[in-house]
Amino acid sequence: AQSVTQLDSHVSVSEGTPVLLRCNYSSSYSPSLFWYVQHPNKGLQLLLKYTSAATLVKGINGFEAEFKKSETSFHLTKPSAHMSDAAEYFCVVSDRGSQGNLIFGKGTKLSVKP
Amino acid sequence: EPEVTQTPSHQVTQMGQEVILRCVPISNHLYFYWYRQILGQKVEFLVSFYNNEISEKSEIFDDQFSVERPDGSNFTLKIRSTKLEDSAMYFCASSEDRASGNTIYFGEGSWLTVV
Repeated sequence: AQSVTQLDSHVSVSEGTPVLLRCNYSSSYSPSLFWYVQHPNKGLQLLLKYTSAATLVKGINGFEAEFKKSETSFHLTKPSAHMSDAAEYFCVVSDRGSQGNLIFGKGTKLSVKP
Repeated sequence: EPEVTQTPSHQVTQMGQEVILRCVPISNHLYFYWYRQILGQKVEFLVSFYNNEISEKSEIFDDQFSVERPDGSNFTLKIRSTKLEDSAMYFCASSEDRASGNTIYFGEGSWLTVV
């Protein structure tokens, strides 16, 4: 069975410093992995996805994530945080047999201090 | 940019009442989904819908729930006889193709409060 663990429920960084949001997955098959972001009172927006092509995936707003099969990880990073990055981030896995059953992590709330 | 739209954004209903949540998926998409997020919990898959029938559903999606595509643009979730524990944010989503590897686009959600 597929599962996702987001290791931190809350991460706080200062503006201009790097962001690291951690995610580990469990999957019986070659997974597709996603990061979604949810700003307050907004829907879920796709940041980036991994689907077995390049292991380093670049997304919107300067975010990127690296798929590491040996560590079963898909951590999200950004070199320099902006105030506008404050939001909740969800790591998501989808197995190849699925028709829409995305498995969400619990989410990590990112706070950015001035 | 095309987007999934949902109405209402917030609905308060009395326990036992029926609720219909509405969604307009992205126009060229063929797969439609409902997810929900109970406050403080994970986003959970409810159901996927393709070619006018349910293609997959979770254990949560019992006889209390139903989905319909009444016309060429709307996709609805009906909850019969609502319970307090149905209070949650309900997300509609759509994709061009099967979910695995394909991007699922989500709406902004409908907050349902059952009192």
